[in-house]
Amino acid sequence: EVQMVESGGGSVQPGGSLRLSCAASGFTLSSYWMHWVRQAPGKGLVWVARINGGGSSTTYADPVKGRFTISRDNAKNTLYLQMSSLRTEDTAVYYCARGGGYSYDPMEYWGQGTLVTVSS
Amino acid sequence: QSALTQPASVSGSPGQSITISCTGTSSDVGNYNYVSWYQQYPGKAPKLMIYDVSNRPSGVSNRFSGSKSGNTASLTISGLQAEDEADYYCTSYTSTSTLGVFGGGTKLTVL
Repeated sequence: EVQMVESGGGSVQPGGSLRLSCAASGFTLSSYWMHWVRQAPGKGLVWVARINGGGSSTTYADPVKGRFTISRDNAKNTLYLQMSSLRTEDTAVYYCARGGGYSYDPMEYWGQGTLVTVSS
Repeated sequence: QSALTQPASVSGSPGQSITISCTGTSSDVGNYNYVSWYQQYPGKAPKLMIYDVSNRPSGVSNRFSGSKSGNTASLTISGLQAEDEADYYCTSYTSTSTLGVFGGGTKLTVL
């Protein structure tokens, strides 16, 4: 059974850092593009970043470029999102999602989400 | 990144059919068949309902169907049921960004 479990969310002050993890099971992480998508309270879904199976290709949304880093450890079957210089507008539930073999493949499996709150 | 345009809300009665539109441009919906639709209940993760414009993943009810005409994709739900009440989001590949784009979401109310 495909499963993804996010962790690492919490409360942090503006300017702080957090690292989110997404532990995957039931499939081999290295075979899939992986994504981070966030949802601010009461708002819609927004793509944050994505990474290819080998980890050599990454893409970021403009609001997080230079502050967030997506990475993966295929040996541990785990996806990460390192977030730094956090802003209040980064407050959201962050979901990891599994894509396919191509960057434009749909996200068929999602984690349950982890809440990040940036507030002073 | 620009967003796809969806109606904020739609509603229908049980048994009826409803359609949710997703309007983009020739840079995304109009020229690529990589449109997906997601269903999301409050406090839950999104669920893939339609991919590549009109394909259903295994396990998704055939009451859900997708189509596209020009720059607008559509999700149709037939035989509306109370359990269909949720938020629905469309996404598309876009040539103007290295990330895809989401629609703003549509809240479906079953009357």
